[in-house]
Amino acid sequence: NAGVMQNPRHLVRRRGQEARLRCSPMKGHSHVYWYRQLPEEGLKFMVYLQKENIIDESGMPKERFSAEFPKEGPSILRIQQVVRGDSAAYFCASSPSKDEQYFGPGTRLTVT
Amino acid sequence: AQSVSQHNHHVILSEAASLELGCNYSYGGTVNLFWYVQYPGQHLQLLLKYFSGDPLVKGIKGFEAEFIKSKFSFNLRKPSVQWSDTAEYFCAVHDYKLSFGAGTTVTVRA
Repeated sequence: NAGVMQNPRHLVRRRGQEARLRCSPMKGHSHVYWYRQLPEEGLKFMVYLQKENIIDESGMPKERFSAEFPKEGPSILRIQQVVRGDSAAYFCASSPSKDEQYFGPGTRLTVT
Repeated sequence: AQSVSQHNHHVILSEAASLELGCNYSYGGTVNLFWYVQYPGQHLQLLLKYFSGDPLVKGIKGFEAEFIKSKFSFNLRKPSVQWSDTAEYFCAVHDYKLSFGAGTTVTVRA
């Protein structure tokens, strides 16, 4: 059973461009979570999704950030018009229920 | 809202030394507590978890943690560390989403 997959592992974007981060949960997991880790900080919750539904987006910035988890395909975290402050590691986690979460390897976004 | 604080930002110790990392949480309800480890260049892995029952929890790689409800603490311990324990350690409270502490970087010198 493959673990949580994230791609790309590294992403470089210039200011103003869009960043798309993908997360494929473990097989059979219908709960997906996105976390952001800024330099020298712990992980911060961003959004919790189940298939086709956003359950909790209380950690998402109000502008430029969006997330989806379609019926088919991976979950996508989308950042429009990136700024330098968006540079961080973005981690996805999945779980079969509301309990233990399994983390992916992360996507390291660098905005130049 | 729950929050987690980890007391030590960076710990440096020698092989065979004992390790204890502090973690305190603030949450009024029933807590589920986790310790995750992130080895250099790798993703987060679960070390151990506490949901209920015996407050002394055994995890992988010789780690254990004790849940002390009266102190709102869930400290991580290992009696004798190895060089391969060099990593960043995160305490987290779970309420369907995880709230993480800032992390403690542990460096074990050979």
